Amino acid sequence: DTVLTQSPATLSLSPGEKATLSCKASQIVSSYLAWYQQRPGQAPRLLIYDASKRATGIPARFSGSGSGTDFTLTISSLEPEDSAVYYCQQRSNWPALIFGGGTKVEIK
Amino acid sequence: QVQLVQSGAEVRRPGASVKISCKASGYSFTDYYIYWVRQAPGQGLEWVGRLSPTGGGAKLAPKFQDRVTMARDTSSSTAYMELARLTSDDTATYYCVRGERVRGIGPFHLDPWGQGTLITVSS
Repeated sequence: DTVLTQSPATLSLSPGEKATLSCKASQIVSSYLAWYQQRPGQAPRLLIYDASKRATGIPARFSGSGSGTDFTLTISSLEPEDSAVYYCQQRSNWPALIFGGGTKVEIK
Repeated sequence: QVQLVQSGAEVRRPGASVKISCKASGYSFTDYYIYWVRQAPGQGLEWVGRLSPTGGGAKLAPKFQDRVTMARDTSSSTAYMELARLTSDDTATYYCVRGERVRGIGPFHLDPWGQGTLITVSS
């Protein structure tokens, strides 16, 4: 079964800095990879789908890229409200969902 | 707007069962699959299963196949998930989320998510 590994586990950066989050698959996967943001005490919300498309209402500072086994979520200039855990998600043995373990982004 | 609203928090004893609901609005309920995902306290996201809103059939993750039942009421656009023989390991927030179209292809992501239902299993 495919495993998604996210790194780093925690990222501590200052406002205005750039954040780069990685999601690596254990085997080649489709480009139907999604990223979700989960703020403390809230449900996850869709940020990026199909690896690089921003969901409705998501600020342009969020971008996604990648293919094959390596995917990246980039936050170009961190805002305080970006403090959250970010999860990547793929499909395996449809319709099963697989999630990465998450990256926690802390704003100093 | 498209929205999923879940039922309130539940507390159960070990060995009991619990049934939670997820009411959809803002779209045609029978057009999209509903997924259930759970999150134990401080942990990541785990897929539980997928419900077909048309036929009512469910595809479940292997670890839940003998304990989870999914159902729907199309007249009220509501999906249900029942979890039996609860243990402390089932303490988690359970989310419903809209998935792909029943007919046609895609989308392949999950959106929107319900607000979550906390199930606490404690003696």
